[in-house]
Amino acid sequence: AQSVSQHNHHVILSEAASLELGCNYSYGGTVNLFWYVQYPGQHLQLLLKYFSGDPLVKGIKGFEAEFIKSKFSFNLRKPSVQWSDTAEYFCAVNAPGGYNKLIFGAGTRLAVHP
Amino acid sequence: DTAVSQTPKYLVTQMGNDKSIKCEQNLGHDTMYWYKQDSKKFLKIMFSYNNKELIINETVPNRFSPKSPDKAHLNLHINSLELGDSAVYFCASSHMGTGELFFGEGSRLTVL
Repeated sequence: AQSVSQHNHHVILSEAASLELGCNYSYGGTVNLFWYVQYPGQHLQLLLKYFSGDPLVKGIKGFEAEFIKSKFSFNLRKPSVQWSDTAEYFCAVNAPGGYNKLIFGAGTRLAVHP
Repeated sequence: DTAVSQTPKYLVTQMGNDKSIKCEQNLGHDTMYWYKQDSKKFLKIMFSYNNKELIINETVPNRFSPKSPDKAHLNLHINSLELGDSAVYFCASSHMGTGELFFGEGSRLTVL
């Protein structure tokens, strides 16, 4: 069965600091990978996704993620965070061509202080 | 125009009651989902329908019954509510096989 691990449950940063959130998945086949963000009191929004091709994926708001197949990882990065990046971040995985059963990690709560 | 809309956004009710949450999407997607987000923010899939047909049914108590009258609507009915049902329920939709889900704003259910 697929599973997703997010190592950092709670991250606190100052504005302009760099961000890296870890995500590892467990699945033997080809996968689609996603990062979603949930701002306080809001619904989940897609930050970026990886289906195939260039393993370095750029998303909205300056976020990027790198798929490293050998490490089963899809870490999220941003070189300089802003206060408005304060949110919950979810890594997710599903098997392509299937029923879109998106499996989420437990989430990482990011708090950015001015 | 809201792409995936859920009603109600907030629901407070007593144990033992029956309640429903409705979801509608105007994205032309053929697949819809219900996810449950618990108090620790953990998201777990409950059900999925493709063109009104149930395709994913996770280990969910049979007090929960989804219904999809057409591919743009997916409702969730919960019988005999329990304290542990308190959560935020998210509806989502997608095209089958694309992988990307679009989420509604959530329905916060509180069972007293």
